[in-house]
Amino acid sequence: EAGVVQSPRYKIIEKKQPVAFWCNPISGHNTLYWYRQNLGQGPELLIRYENEEAVDDSQLPKDRFSAERLKGVDSTLKIQPAELGDSAVYLCASSLDGLNTEAFFGQGTRLTVV
Amino acid sequence: KQEVTQIPAALSVPEGENLVLNCSFTDSAIYNLQWFRQDPGKGLTSLLLIQSSQREQTSGRLNASLDKSSGRSTLYIAASQPGDSATYLCAAQKAGAGSYQLTFGKGTKLSVIP
Repeated sequence: EAGVVQSPRYKIIEKKQPVAFWCNPISGHNTLYWYRQNLGQGPELLIRYENEEAVDDSQLPKDRFSAERLKGVDSTLKIQPAELGDSAVYLCASSLDGLNTEAFFGQGTRLTVV
Repeated sequence: KQEVTQIPAALSVPEGENLVLNCSFTDSAIYNLQWFRQDPGKGLTSLLLIQSSQREQTSGRLNASLDKSSGRSTLYIAASQPGDSATYLCAAQKAGAGSYQLTFGKGTKLSVIP
């Protein structure tokens, strides 16, 4: 069974440019998470979806970040415009449901903003 | 706000040695505690998940324990191998209404010397 798939693996962009990340969760997993991991730190939640509904986006910087999960399967995270401080690894994870079930992570997208 | 601390930040051991990684959390109202492994430039691989009602979980050479009342979890690795070298992260899933996010520690970087 395929795990959580993310693309691209790496992205280098100039500041003020837009960027988008894509995630395909494990089949049948209703809950999808986007995390951001800075160097030497643990991942921090950006947004959590239950099916197509964003149920926790309190830590998403809404002035420049947006996300969507159409049809409750794949998800896209977008940054526009990107800033130097957005350089990090963006991780997507999924779980069967949001409550007390194991979370599985993708390989992540390493974003470098120059 | 939940805070998760992992000590030590880095650990170097000779091959074959048994070792313990520590994780502490400030809010004992959790659903579960999950241990992950992260290889350089990669995503997170789930190792073990301990439900709040459980005391420990075992998988091969790995054993994780949970003492919710004291806010502590340990990951025991028996007969360490060079292939165990990676960063190990623990994450606590908050219980209660509203948020089911995982709160991560910063990780322990393990090096197993051949």
